[in-house]
Amino acid sequence: DADVTQTPRNRITKTGKRIMLECSQTKGHDRMYWYRQDPGLGLRLIYYSFDVKDINKGEISDGYSVSRQAQAKFSLSLESAIPNQTALYFCATRTSGRPDTQYFGPGTRLTVL
Amino acid sequence: AQSVTQPDIHITVSEGASLELRCNYSYGATPYLFWYVQSPGQGLQLLLKYFSGDTLVQGIKGFEAEFKRSQSSFNLRKPSVHWSDAAEYFCAVRDTGRRALTFGSGTRLQVQP
Repeated sequence: DADVTQTPRNRITKTGKRIMLECSQTKGHDRMYWYRQDPGLGLRLIYYSFDVKDINKGEISDGYSVSRQAQAKFSLSLESAIPNQTALYFCATRTSGRPDTQYFGPGTRLTVL
Repeated sequence: AQSVTQPDIHITVSEGASLELRCNYSYGATPYLFWYVQSPGQGLQLLLKYFSGDTLVQGIKGFEAEFKRSQSSFNLRKPSVHWSDAAEYFCAVRDTGRRALTFGSGTRLQVQP
């Protein structure tokens, strides 16, 4: 089984709808991240969490919110989806200690019509 | 703020030829540098990383990268490319506080038979 899972893997929705993307990990890591990938822009940080009670905004948090339900679960929500949020979304985890490596989930492809 | 530049958007090489993908970074302190690969429809896989020590680092799949502080570069190399290496390659630098990654825009590698 994969260490970092994301659900759904693909989602098509309409403008104005509320969407939740979920991330779960079995690595026992305390730090979790949400990134967004757009063609030609690489990945950009949306939100990150160092533990259940520590959640922080990244560079592009506008229009998004997150919830850290447990150490192993970190959800990303789009309260009212808009077309320019169409992108590939990645969750990543890492330990607070060494090795200092982020492990990525398989991604969720979101299309907002 | 840190930044990563990958000057080549798209590179085509023949199978069996050597490969070098360029990466330049901007970071105030000693950087933690990474190369990830993304195969079509897949998530990101870590190829290699540099934290300190030997400036030539070996990774998986026969890849290596050389850290050159004087040139602010961390170029990825492979002596003989295989068709299965066709993918998109991302260079990234880790920041100190958030321990999040700042990615370059990626280089798409095409391998000709």
